[in-house]
Amino acid sequence: DSGVTQTPKHLITATGQRVTLRCSPRSGDLSVYWYQQSLDQGLQFLIQYYNGEERAKGNILERFSAQQFPDLHSELNLSSLELGDSALYFCASSVGWASTEAFFGQGTRLTVV
Amino acid sequence: QQQVKQSPQSLIVQKGGISIINCAYENTAFDYFPWYQQFPGKGPALLIAIRPDVSEKKEGRFTISFNKSAKQFSLHIMDSQPGDSATYFCAASKYGGSQGNLIFGKGTKLSVKP
Repeated sequence: DSGVTQTPKHLITATGQRVTLRCSPRSGDLSVYWYQQSLDQGLQFLIQYYNGEERAKGNILERFSAQQFPDLHSELNLSSLELGDSALYFCASSVGWASTEAFFGQGTRLTVV
Repeated sequence: QQQVKQSPQSLIVQKGGISIINCAYENTAFDYFPWYQQFPGKGPALLIAIRPDVSEKKEGRFTISFNKSAKQFSLHIMDSQPGDSATYFCAASKYGGSQGNLIFGKGTKLSVKP
């Protein structure tokens, strides 16, 4: 168990809808990272927050947004969902903002129908 | 543009054999090369990593070989065990290896047969 908790584990929703994925980092970790894993694109970094502020941005669509709250948990919001957004979404956390190792949660499997 | 190319996509090895997974990169600014291991239903976990100032790094049965001039690096798993069956991802990043800058390969699914 990595200590990173993601909810829900599975999510099925319709095209055009909006969903929120939640992540609780390991105790003491200030950085949260979001990744998307799909069969065709592989594992892609989306965005990083450090102590409540956006730190780095990767291949995140404009329809997607994230935030980190004062208690350090993070939420990834996905809106106007398309079939191609179906994927595994991972959250990871690390102590620092430039850590070389982060600990991954078990992921949320999103299916858009 | 895929900056880290990983091969093979899948690999079957007999127990006790050597598993070899290769990666090639394009960007010479990359300075940190980790390998991740992912079991079904789990998130990736850092396995071993190397920086370009060394040509090889060994941790137990896992070894990274790094060839800077060829822009290639590989993971060798010696004495492969059924418990090593997982998907392995190579990755590369700039700026000292911050987790947020990692570019991942597409993964290799390893099956170790008993």
